[in-house]
Amino acid sequence: NAGVTQTPKFQVLKTGQSMTLQCAQDMNHEYMSWYRQDPGMGLRLIHYSVGAGITDQGEVPNGYNVSRSTTEDFPLRLLSAAPSQTSVYFCASSRQGGPVQETQYFGPGTRLLVL
Amino acid sequence: KNEVEQSPQNLTAQEGEFITINCSYSVGISALHWLQQHPGGGIVSLFMLSSGKKKHGRLIATINIQEKHSSLHITASHPRDSAVYICASEGGSEKLVFGKGTKLTVNP
Repeated sequence: NAGVTQTPKFQVLKTGQSMTLQCAQDMNHEYMSWYRQDPGMGLRLIHYSVGAGITDQGEVPNGYNVSRSTTEDFPLRLLSAAPSQTSVYFCASSRQGGPVQETQYFGPGTRLLVL
Repeated sequence: KNEVEQSPQNLTAQEGEFITINCSYSVGISALHWLQQHPGGGIVSLFMLSSGKKKHGRLIATINIQEKHSSLHITASHPRDSAVYICASEGGSEKLVFGKGTKLTVNP
């Protein structure tokens, strides 16, 4: 199993550009989530999904969109990039019970720089 | 809202030392997680516990539900244990709240 994969590994954007961060998992996990990690702060939840067709907002959702058309994929879209979105983004998945009750598996991360 | 605090923020040890990292949280929870973030950035789950103690190799995690406190211990520390250790606890329905992490450096 590849586990949780993310692409790209690194991206530079200009302010106002849009892009999609890809995330896929091959463990048939129902629960998937996106986090951002900034210096001096803990991981913060952006959006999450408890299954295909179901998404919800986390702690810091503004400026991001998600969709979940399949169990495997959970892309994160930046609509109009801003320098404040410079961060490292992690995708994670867990079994149906969610990350509180189940082990969470993380992707390798995407480092995003917005100029 | 659950607040998760870790201490210390940074920890430097000599190889072979016994390490303790602390985590406290403000709201009663059903489970607490310890994760390890490698210097390259990857994050792996170490422990999930709701009571008592768990052990895996040289790593031991304990939790005291009444005191809302958990500790991660590393026995006979090694330079390969150098990483950021992150505590996370329940932050509402199906969500986790993460601490800021403890950066551990083990010198040979």
